[in-house]
Amino acid sequence: GENVEQHPSTLSVQEGDSAVIKCTYSDSASNYFPWYKQELGKRPQLIIDIRSNVGEKKDQRIAVTLNKTAKHFSLHITETQPEDSAVYFCAARASGNTPLVFGKGTRLSVIA
Amino acid sequence: GAGVSQSPRYKVAKRGQDVALRCDPISGHVSLFWYQQALGQGPEFLTYFQNEAQLDKSGLPSDRFFAERPEGSVSTLKIQRTQQEDSAVYLCASSVSGGANTEAFFGQGTRLTVV
Repeated sequence: GENVEQHPSTLSVQEGDSAVIKCTYSDSASNYFPWYKQELGKRPQLIIDIRSNVGEKKDQRIAVTLNKTAKHFSLHITETQPEDSAVYFCAARASGNTPLVFGKGTRLSVIA
Repeated sequence: GAGVSQSPRYKVAKRGQDVALRCDPISGHVSLFWYQQALGQGPEFLTYFQNEAQLDKSGLPSDRFFAERPEGSVSTLKIQRTQQEDSAVYLCASSVSGGANTEAFFGQGTRLTVV
C-alpha cells in the first residue's frame, strides 16, 4: 500500500519568511495530493491540492509542487504570518478504491 | 447539514467497555473514511466506505474494531472491550464522489479516553 513520508516534523520561521514542507510517496499510481492544515483541537482543513497532470499550483501565498518522477511533492508558504502556525499534513491517494494516506505532519511555528 | 458531524465530541470509557462513535457525512457524499489520530501524529487510516459498501478495512487495528454504514449515509465505528491504547481522536471524513481526486471534508472528531 501507499506510504507517505513528511519532513521536517517541526519548523520554526520568522514572520515574513518562507516555509517549505516536503513529502515523498511510494505508490507510483497515486495521482491526488492534498495538503491539510490542522489547528490545535480543530479538524483538518484542506488548504490546497494538486493532481498528477499538474506540476505546480498556486493560491495566493501558498503553492504546491509535484515531481512524479521522483515521487515527491512540496508545500511552499511565502510571507508567513502568525496565523499560519499549525500542523500541516500532506496526503496521497491512488484511486477511488484506495484510501487517502497521510504523512505524520509538520508543526509550523511562525515567530512574530 | 453544513458539514461532517461527529458525536459524541468527547467520550470517556472504562477499560473493557464498548463504545460507539457516530459520523453524519455531508448529505449526498458517496465516500466515507474513518481515521485514528493519536496525539501529535497524523491521521491513520482505519476503514473506507463507498455508499454502504466497505471497500477497505485493512487499517482496523484488531477485531475489536467494527464499522458499518448500512444505508450509505450515517456510519458507526464500534470498539469493543476498549483498551488504553485505543485512546485517540477518531476522525470521520466524507467526499462527494468515489473518485480519487475529490476533496475529503473532515468532522471535528471524537476524542476517546480509555481509563
